[in-house]
Amino acid sequence: EDQVTQSPEALRLQEGESSSLNCSYTVSGLRGLFWYRQDPGKGPEFLFTLYSAGEEKEKERLKATLTKKESFLHITAPKPEDSATYLCAVGLLNAGKSTFGDGTTLTVKP
Amino acid sequence: DGGITQSPKYLFRKEGQNVTLSCEQNLNHDAMYWYRQDPGQGLRLIYYSQIVNDFQKGDIAEGYSVSREKKESFPLTVTSAQKNPTAFYLCASSTGQGNQPQHFGDGTRLSIL
Repeated sequence: EDQVTQSPEALRLQEGESSSLNCSYTVSGLRGLFWYRQDPGKGPEFLFTLYSAGEEKEKERLKATLTKKESFLHITAPKPEDSATYLCAVGLLNAGKSTFGDGTTLTVKP
Repeated sequence: DGGITQSPKYLFRKEGQNVTLSCEQNLNHDAMYWYRQDPGQGLRLIYYSQIVNDFQKGDIAEGYSVSREKKESFPLTVTSAQKNPTAFYLCASSTGQGNQPQHFGDGTRLSIL
């Protein structure tokens, strides 16, 4: 069964304290791995797509990386406005849907 | 601007009543999706459609129904058979290929009176 697991469930950081969020997956036929950001009461906002092991994508203080079994979302020197829930999802070969993890809720204190 | 519009933002249902949530997209996407999100939880797939006049059950389809008569529209009906309908409902669309992300609306919050 295809499975996506995110850890930790919640992460509290001080402003400027860098850290990483993990997304591990056991799927057959990965087509793409996606990271989203979700603010309270809003729909998820797309951040990155990663397609193959070794690939990296960056946007401001965020960098996403991918291996054959997991992806990391690195947050460098976070600010309070980075506080949100971060979701990862995998797109599968021959499937019209994605499988989502349960998310990591990040809180950055000033 | 292209995007997904969900309405209403808040909806209240009386016991025994069916309610319909609207989802419209102007991204020219083939595939559309409905998710349910409970507090502190991830997204659970209710139904999805990869093409007009066709749709498939997701993981928690019981008590819900959908239609896909137009490419742009994918309404979700929460029926009286859904015993615990209070949740945040999200609609999404994509090209339908596994290597493309989904684009989400801003959700409808459904509560029971």
